Amino acid sequence: GQQVMQIPQYQHVQEGEDFTTYCNSSTTLSNIQWYKQRPGGHPVFLIQLVKSGEVKKQKRLTFQFGEAKKNSSLHITATQTTDVGTYFCAADNFNKFYFGSGTKLNVKP
Amino acid sequence: AAGVIQSPRHLIKEKRETATLKCYPIPRHDTVYWYQQGPGQDPQFLISFYEKMQSDKGSIPDRFSAQQFSDYHSELNMSSLELGDSALYFCASSLGLGAGANVLTFGAGSRLTVL
Repeated sequence: GQQVMQIPQYQHVQEGEDFTTYCNSSTTLSNIQWYKQRPGGHPVFLIQLVKSGEVKKQKRLTFQFGEAKKNSSLHITATQTTDVGTYFCAADNFNKFYFGSGTKLNVKP
Repeated sequence: AAGVIQSPRHLIKEKRETATLKCYPIPRHDTVYWYQQGPGQDPQFLISFYEKMQSDKGSIPDRFSAQQFSDYHSELNMSSLELGDSALYFCASSLGLGAGANVLTFGAGSRLTVL
């Protein structure tokens, strides 16, 4: 079945440092989505990547979709305490979404 | 803007009891997904509906059933509850299927505690 691996599981950074989480799928995906879940909250949609090799930016966040459409990354430049939360990739395998295990980001002020 | 509404927000049940969770999607969203999230875990896909028909099935136990009604709201019925069913249950809705339309908007979740 579909497997989505996400690393690292946890990341503790000092405010101002960069952060990257990686998502790898065992199969080729139609598209991939990224979500952020704040502590005690629900997942909130960040972005969707559809095309092979696609790169999208949202302010300090950069999202990439691999050429083979099997992996993706989220990079945050100069983290802030508001970035705290768990970041999930969600692999869309024809409308059945498989969430990665998430990367829990903690930012120390 | 209207969001996905889930009820109840909290539910406490005894083992072997039955529970029903309700989800009201965003207006005009015809697709509903149910997820189960245990403590410190990622959301696990249970089941989804598109236009009132089941569109996909994930790791939903046989003790659970769900349906989407004519007004597009959905209910998740859980019977013979076990301790391991204690989790946060999220409902999400989307505008439809396919890239672009299938962005998930999550409700706040229903926290089920089985004692």
